[in-house]
Amino acid sequence: AQKVTQAQTEISVVEKEDVTLDCVYETRDTTYYLFWYKQPPSGELVFLIRRNSFDEQNEISGRYSWNFQKSTSSFNFTITASQVVDSAVYFCALREDNYGQNFVFGPGTRLSVLP
Amino acid sequence: GAGVSQTPSNKVTEKGKYVELRCDPISGHTALYWYRQSLGQGPEFLIYFQGTGAADDSGLPNDRFFAVRPEGSVSTLKIQRTERGDSAVYLCASRLTGSNTEAFFGQGTRLTVV
Repeated sequence: AQKVTQAQTEISVVEKEDVTLDCVYETRDTTYYLFWYKQPPSGELVFLIRRNSFDEQNEISGRYSWNFQKSTSSFNFTITASQVVDSAVYFCALREDNYGQNFVFGPGTRLSVLP
Repeated sequence: GAGVSQTPSNKVTEKGKYVELRCDPISGHTALYWYRQSLGQGPEFLIYFQGTGAADDSGLPNDRFFAVRPEGSVSTLKIQRTERGDSAVYLCASRLTGSNTEAFFGQGTRLTVV
């Protein structure tokens, strides 16, 4: 079965600190897709990144970077030089290619960036 | 608009009443999802449409919940005989057909059953 674990329930950092949000997944499929979404206080889920299981290259986008490691079934998300606007709940999600098309979400990590 | 639109944004209803929640997906997106999110939790899958048909309704909690998408665009989630435990934010998402695509979510409908 598919499952996503985000062990960190809440994280607080001071502005300009770096922070890493952990995501560990379980899947029975050989082809799957991993995602990160941000949910600010307004409530809408905002797409951040998609990764497919064949592409283990790490990615950097501005202050955001993602580390995908199939060997440890992890897809961690790092925010460099955090800002107050980064405060939100962050969700990791998984979708399998051969066992249904629904997205399975982790429980989320609430990040608070303090000024 | 360019995004997924959900109406109403808030709905308060009495226990036992019937409610309908509407989702307008992004134009051209054939895949549509409904999720439910309770406070402090991640979104929980309810149902997935590919075109007009419900390809996977395994997440619907019981037969009081039903969803339709008659023309392959707008979808309606229907809840009969609402219970206080149905109170949550109901999220709709859509995505392009194809494996390597992400879902885009609407703002959600906050349902409160009193």
